[in-house]
Amino acid sequence: KAGVTQTPRYLIKTRGQQVTLSCSPISGHRSVSWYQQTPGQGLQFLFEYFSETQRNKGNFPGRFSGRQFSNSRSEMNVSTLELGDSALYLCASSPGQGNRETQYFGPGTRLLVL
Amino acid sequence: AQSVTQLGSHVSVSEGALVLLRCNYSSSVPPYLFWYVQYPNQGLQLLLKYTSAATLVKGINGFEAEFKKSETSFHLTKPSAHMSDAAEYFCAVSAGGDYKLSFGAGTTVTVRA
Repeated sequence: KAGVTQTPRYLIKTRGQQVTLSCSPISGHRSVSWYQQTPGQGLQFLFEYFSETQRNKGNFPGRFSGRQFSNSRSEMNVSTLELGDSALYLCASSPGQGNRETQYFGPGTRLLVL
Repeated sequence: AQSVTQLGSHVSVSEGALVLLRCNYSSSVPPYLFWYVQYPNQGLQLLLKYTSAATLVKGINGFEAEFKKSETSFHLTKPSAHMSDAAEYFCAVSAGGDYKLSFGAGTTVTVRA
């Protein structure tokens, strides 16, 4: 099976702009989670989607949003970018049935905000 | 709520020596615990996971971890380090049905020839 894919791999934006990141899960996986990784804060949970519904959300401002499509592909959007949004954004997928499941991670999208 | 603490942000070992990475967890319900590895410019790869079936868990690349409830620990070991083990390692916990992983701060491993 193909792994989790994320596009684009790299992005450069300026403050105030918005950005959309895309994630395609492993075939058959219905849960997609998003994480932000920064040197200062480490890996932090953004949100999780299952069957087009957000089941859980981390402690991030409303500028961070996401959605999931009927084919389980997911997008996350960050509006009004700030310098502190520079990070590696990781997407992970799993079948979606519970906490025992392994989350399989994509290679990430590295966002630089100037 | 659940959390993990990784002791030591950097570990340096000689090739062929024991690798020991420490992880302690906090959870109000029985946890599921994971170790992931991240190589430069890559995502996270699962090394192993504990889901209550057995306290000693064997993973890929010769790694194993032991779940000790009395010590709330899930330390990762490898008997003999290889140069290819140089990477960052993350301990993570999942519990309570909230469908998320809570990660430790990570431990960077360097391997000396």
